Amino acid sequence: EPEVTQTPSHQVTQMGQEVILRCVPISNHLYFYWYRQILGQKVEFLVSFYNNEISEKSEIFDDQFSVERPDGSNFTLKIRSTKLEDSAMYFCASSTTGGPQHFGDGTRLSIL
Amino acid sequence: EDKVVQSPLSLVVHEGDTVTLNCSYEVTNFRSLLWYKQEKKAPTFLFMLTSSGIEKKSGRLSSILDKKELFSILNITATQTGDSAVYLCAVESGGSNYKLTFGKGTLLTVNP
Repeated sequence: EPEVTQTPSHQVTQMGQEVILRCVPISNHLYFYWYRQILGQKVEFLVSFYNNEISEKSEIFDDQFSVERPDGSNFTLKIRSTKLEDSAMYFCASSTTGGPQHFGDGTRLSIL
Repeated sequence: EDKVVQSPLSLVVHEGDTVTLNCSYEVTNFRSLLWYKQEKKAPTFLFMLTSSGIEKKSGRLSSILDKKELFSILNITATQTGDSAVYLCAVESGGSNYKLTFGKGTLLTVNP
């Protein structure tokens, strides 16, 4: 069964450094999303992406965050200057029109 | 602000028991309600509900939506230790953006 894949599974970075989290959505899906889950808290929406542009973003998704679909398969989340509070599990998801969102296994981001 | 409330937050049962998990919501522009199972990593899709009163079933799991009272239940019959997980309820809302708002989840522990 097709699945969403994310790399790396764990990223450790110094505060202030840039990180790029990578995702390969399911191949026939058109809608792409990033969510995060801080340890012990709810899964929170960050951003949705369709037709090569951001459809919606949450208050969390400030100027330090950006998303890109650099080629036909990858979907990336960049955090420009990481802060301690960016430490979380980041999930990528994708869906077809009107279909359920399917999630990847996540990238655990640890900021030191 | 969209809100999804799950109850109970945790539940411990014995193998063979039947459990009912609850999810109530308040969202603008409701599109669908989804249930996911989260073990160690990715939320795994279980059900997507869009219409009231139509039960969806998959093996020992079933779910139903009440759009008038704004809630859904997830039933698991004849529970097994492999059912132990966090069960997440999420509501899809918005115009064309399909973002998900999650509840805190119900931690189900099934003891042998």
